[in-house]
Amino acid sequence: QVQLVQSGAEVKKPGASVKVSCKTSGYTFTNYDINWVRQATGQGLEWMGWMNPNTGNTGYAQKFQGRVTMTRDTSKSTAYMELSSLRSEDTAVYFCARSNYGEYKYWGQGTLVAVSS
Amino acid sequence: DIVMTQSPDSLAVSLGERATINCRSSQSLLDSSDNKNYLAWYQQKPGQPPKLLIYWASIRESGVPDRFSGSGSGTDFTLTISSLQAEDVAVYYCQQYYSTLVFTFGPGTKVDIK
Repeated sequence: QVQLVQSGAEVKKPGASVKVSCKTSGYTFTNYDINWVRQATGQGLEWMGWMNPNTGNTGYAQKFQGRVTMTRDTSKSTAYMELSSLRSEDTAVYFCARSNYGEYKYWGQGTLVAVSS
Repeated sequence: DIVMTQSPDSLAVSLGERATINCRSSQSLLDSSDNKNYLAWYQQKPGQPPKLLIYWASIRESGVPDRFSGSGSGTDFTLTISSLQAEDVAVYYCQQYYSTLVFTFGPGTKVDIK
């Protein structure tokens, strides 16, 4: 069965970076884009960007341009999302999701990133 | 970027009654080359990732109860829960995937029991 398992919660100081992993299984990793979506507490879903695991091509929401980097390790079937220059407003749960045509049937469990001094 | 709006922000419906959620996009999500609307609906319960309910605006995901249905085309879409059950209490989001470079979600609609 398809599974996306994310790394554990992180606590970071303002200005630091965080790297969240998304380990996939149950399908061919390079066949489907991985997208990242975040959700602040009590707020809605915010799309961050996509990555093609086959080519490494990426696309980011304008809001995160210059601060986010999405990468992958095909030998580990794992995708990564790194967000830099963290600020308190980045405190949120970060989800990875497998994209079919752009809709997401499979999601990771979410990773809480807390930014606090 | 395509902007998604939803109405209402929240609604309370009696058990067994119909719930209707509207979603509007700032530009058409209908691709004339394949005649598909690039619109999905999700259900999210507290502490869980979203669950895909509907894609291509009206195709129910496997395993989703048939009381959930999606309709609409172009810029106006609707998610209908024909007979609300207690387990349907959640927040519902629409999402456009028409723009291949930037996907966006609606702000969400909270559904409660009256």
